[in-house]
Amino acid sequence: AQSVSQHNHHVILSEAASLELGCNYSYGGTVNLFWYVQYPGQHLQLLLKYFSGDPLVKGIKGFEAEFIKSKFSFNLRKPSVQWSDTAEYFCAVFSGTYKYIFGTGTRLKVLA
Amino acid sequence: SQTIHQWPATLVQPVGSPLSLECTVEGTSNPNLYWYRQAAGRGLQLLFYSVGIGQISSEVPQNLSASRPQDRQFILSSKKLLLSDSGFYLCAWSGSSPDTQYFGPGTRLTVL
Repeated sequence: AQSVSQHNHHVILSEAASLELGCNYSYGGTVNLFWYVQYPGQHLQLLLKYFSGDPLVKGIKGFEAEFIKSKFSFNLRKPSVQWSDTAEYFCAVFSGTYKYIFGTGTRLKVLA
Repeated sequence: SQTIHQWPATLVQPVGSPLSLECTVEGTSNPNLYWYRQAAGRGLQLLFYSVGIGQISSEVPQNLSASRPQDRQFILSSKKLLLSDSGFYLCAWSGSSPDTQYFGPGTRLTVL
């Protein structure tokens, strides 16, 4: 069955620390990959997406993600986090039907 | 611009009671509409999607049903809630291409 794994459920960082959130998926075909973010009290919103082309994708607010096909991974990175990055982050795979498959999410807390 | 509304934001219901959650989209026509649920400790799971009025596809057998009485209205219902129906329910919409979906604010349902 298709699945998405996010290895870190809770991450706590100090401001200016670097961030990497892991995401692995299990699906053998062509996939579209997404990272969504939900800030406290706000809607789930798209952070970045990969459909094809350059495997290094840049999103909003300084985030980027790298698609490594051989590792079935799509890790999210940010060189220097800010307090305002405190949120829950979801990795998702779109497999060509109407279905997104989401990971369980990672709660990031950035300490000022 | 397009906006998506969900209500209520939170709901506490007794076991065996009925449920009706509503989702409406503004600023677009003929959207694809989706209901997702996040149960505790699990990723977001697609429950239903609809590509048009009266057209509902169910992804997971369960105690819930969905209806789309109008183009931009999507309703999630249950005749008798179970404890296992507790969770966070998200409505989403997309254009004709389902690979990028936009989410509402969600409803947190607690069944006691």
